[in-house]
Amino acid sequence: KQEVTQIPAALSVPEGENLVLNCSFTDSAIYNLQWFRQDPGKGLTSLLLIQSSQREQTSGRLNASLDKSSGRSTLYIAASQPGDSATYLCAVSEYGANSKLTFGKGITLSVRP
Amino acid sequence: EAQVTQNPRYLITVTGKKLTVTCSQNMNHEYMSWYRQDPGLGLRQIYYSMNVEVTDKGDVPEGYKVSRKEKRNFPLILESPSPNQTSLYFCASSPVRGPYGYTFGSGTRLTVV
Repeated sequence: KQEVTQIPAALSVPEGENLVLNCSFTDSAIYNLQWFRQDPGKGLTSLLLIQSSQREQTSGRLNASLDKSSGRSTLYIAASQPGDSATYLCAVSEYGANSKLTFGKGITLSVRP
Repeated sequence: EAQVTQNPRYLITVTGKKLTVTCSQNMNHEYMSWYRQDPGLGLRQIYYSMNVEVTDKGDVPEGYKVSRKEKRNFPLILESPSPNQTSLYFCASSPVRGPYGYTFGSGTRLTVV
């Protein structure tokens, strides 16, 4: 059974810092990996999607990498801003009929002005 | 705008009173799914649907029903809600395969008293 782990559960950084959020998964047979952002009490906004054959994806100040063999992904946020404060969720999807997402519990990021 | 629409956003109901949470997507996606999010447990899949009239159980299906009579709609039915179904519910959709990720609705916060 796939398990996704995100450590630490919470992170506080000063504005302007570059930071890395980590995600690990136990079964490397994934179809893709997706990073989401969730603001308190709100829905999930997709940030980046990495196919299993890819190594990284970039969007603006965000860069996500994937190392399937080691079961790891990182989300790099450059020059963090207070508006980046949110919970960041990593999720992997499977091959097979049910391409469900297995989520980590998320990292709650606070960027201090 | 491509989106997944859930209604209602907030719902307070009493134990045993049947309710339906609607979900509709305008992207012609084949795959749709329901998740619930609970503190400390993260997001877990309830039911999914590969296409019209094709549905199956996810990880936590007890107490829920779904139907997929049209491609765009995937309602979640609680026939006899109980307090342990108090949760934040998300509907999601995606193409069955390909370099596409999931799109999530804004969520429905359900309280059963």
